[in-house]
Amino acid sequence: ETGVTQTPRHLVMGMTNKKSLKCEQHLGHNAMYWYKQSAKKPLELMFVYSLEERVENNSVPSRFSPECPNSSHLFLHLHTLQPEDSALYLCASSLGLANEQFFGPGTRLTVL
Amino acid sequence: AQSVSQHNHHVILSEAASLELGCNYSYGGTVNLFWYVQYPGQHLQLLLKYFSGDPLVKGIKGFEAEFIKSKFSFNLRKPSVQWSDTAEYFCASMIYNQGGKLIFGQGTELSVKP
Repeated sequence: ETGVTQTPRHLVMGMTNKKSLKCEQHLGHNAMYWYKQSAKKPLELMFVYSLEERVENNSVPSRFSPECPNSSHLFLHLHTLQPEDSALYLCASSLGLANEQFFGPGTRLTVL
Repeated sequence: AQSVSQHNHHVILSEAASLELGCNYSYGGTVNLFWYVQYPGQHLQLLLKYFSGDPLVKGIKGFEAEFIKSKFSFNLRKPSVQWSDTAEYFCASMIYNQGGKLIFGQGTELSVKP
């Protein structure tokens, strides 16, 4: 497996469910990111991790909870989501915070 | 707040036509600039980037972009498009000392007719 992988690729959940999105990078990078891509809107940065520490929380509601246990893995824990949270969630990684980011294929999330 | 504007939401061209996609950013200081492409069914890929130096940067697949500081612009160009260039194109900026905070434009969908 190369690059940035994300699982699952599709997820349907009810508003009371708890689920987690997983991201793994195989590039030796030390920074990881979560983005939200909604229809007709620009990609929105949600969280930034550098060396496994969170360095940015872009005013994201607490129903989204990130976790970065090591430099290769990033999780997004979801609970009590709203239908407007339905979107494509993208993970990215980079070598250092100033360099280009490499993106995964995304998880298409639908909240019923 | 920093923002990025892409003027064209959907561009339709015939093969061999020239392409220019507009991008303007709002921050007045030093920025790093990027163009990403998303081909149908694929993930975002970097086309090119500008950090410093020559304001005309060349990327993959014959694309280039020109950084014009006085116009806060970073337009993407290709002299002759191909059907395989059909994709969505995203411009993004990052303030120099705010590493990691990449701000995207809303994207431009390019359709190339064979």
